[in-house]
Amino acid sequence: QKEVEQNSGPLSVPEGAIASLNCTYSDRGSQSFFWYRQYSGKSPELIMSIYSNGDKEDGRFTAQLNKASQYVSLLIRDSQPSDSATYLCAVRANYGRSQGNLIFGKGTKLSVKP
Amino acid sequence: EAGVTQFPSHSVIEKGQTVTLRCDPISGHDNLYWYRRVMGKEIKFLLHFVKESKQDESGMPNNRFLAERTGGTYSTLKVQPAELEDSGVYFCASSQDRGQPQHFGDGTRLSIL
Repeated sequence: QKEVEQNSGPLSVPEGAIASLNCTYSDRGSQSFFWYRQYSGKSPELIMSIYSNGDKEDGRFTAQLNKASQYVSLLIRDSQPSDSATYLCAVRANYGRSQGNLIFGKGTKLSVKP
Repeated sequence: EAGVTQFPSHSVIEKGQTVTLRCDPISGHDNLYWYRRVMGKEIKFLLHFVKESKQDESGMPNNRFLAERTGGTYSTLKVQPAELEDSGVYFCASSQDRGQPQHFGDGTRLSIL
């Protein structure tokens, strides 16, 4: 059973701080990794994708991937109250006919306090 | 560009009844996916269409669930007869090709009484 693990939180950070969200995955052959943000009752919204080891930055967001450790993280700099949401880590399945579908973690709930 | 749309947003039915969920993917997206999130659990894959063909239905829980995508445009997911454990949020996602990121709809919240 391929798995993605996240700390469910809640993770609480003050406004302006760096929020660090972490995720581990079990399938060593995985190649594609995604972070989605989900507000309550809304659709998961893609905020970052990463495919290679190292860091990928987009505005206040930085995704970090370490395939050797099977670890992917998301850093949010200068956190804002509007960043308060559940952050979902997803890994694209890499086996058989399942190539393409996403395997999700349970999500980490982030709360940014003004 | 319109996003992925799902209908209805909420559905409350009694055990044993039938419910049909609909998903309209982003125009031009050949790949359509159904996922489900039951309370306290992670979002889990149900099945994947490429155009009108079922590419992978390994996540479908049992034969009470039937998905179709006639003409390769919108898709329906029918649950017949519904059981209590089918309650949850059903998400649809689409992508232009399999290697592209998936875009999700707002989901249908299904409650079985």
